[in-house]
Amino acid sequence: EVQLVESGGGLVKPGRSLRLSCTSSGFKFGDYSMTWFRQAPGKGLEWVGLIRSKGFGGTTEYAASVKDRFIISRDDSNKIAYLLMNSLKTEDTALYYCTYYHSGGPYYYFENWGQGTLVTVSS
Amino acid sequence: DIQMTQSPSSLSASVGDRVTITCRASRNINNYLNWYQQKPGKAPKLLIYAAVNLQSGVPSHFSGSGSGTDFTLTISSLQPEDFATYYCQQSYTTLFTFGPGTKVDIK
Repeated sequence: EVQLVESGGGLVKPGRSLRLSCTSSGFKFGDYSMTWFRQAPGKGLEWVGLIRSKGFGGTTEYAASVKDRFIISRDDSNKIAYLLMNSLKTEDTALYYCTYYHSGGPYYYFENWGQGTLVTVSS
Repeated sequence: DIQMTQSPSSLSASVGDRVTITCRASRNINNYLNWYQQKPGKAPKLLIYAAVNLQSGVPSHFSGSGSGTDFTLTISSLQPEDFATYYCQQSYTTLFTFGPGTKVDIK
């Protein structure tokens, strides 16, 4: 059974940093691109960024709203994906989800999701 | 970036009704279009991928159609458990943009 468990959320002041973790099991982690989405309270879904599998270069991509502030990394040995969020803003307040897709494609879709971890940015 | 729009933004329907939700991409995305269902307090659930393919375990009263820029999610006979918010998502680029969602509630 696939499991994705996000952790690390909480209340943080603007300008501070927070690191989220996504601990995975039940699938061949190294073959998949790990992806983070977020959902602000009462709002829709927003893609945050991704990290490709090592076989596809391990490269990262980010949404314009978080580029240069957020960093995604992965630990394939322990099957964990990370989202390091720096210079947090109040508009980063959201429920953060991790999920994955197979790097080989051709179609990318997200069939398994974690339960999310809530990040609240407030002074 | 590819922008996604959905219509309507919300609708009220009764059990047994046929419901159609449309999604439009700002440019041609071929059939790189997914549909998700989300209930309050829950993660999104994949319903349809590549525009027309029903995800394993999803009831057959859901169906998807379209290609290019215009897509449709159809619920042929609305069931009580189908009241939720529905999102389309493009996967033509890895920016994975979502539409703003369509909330389906009880009439």
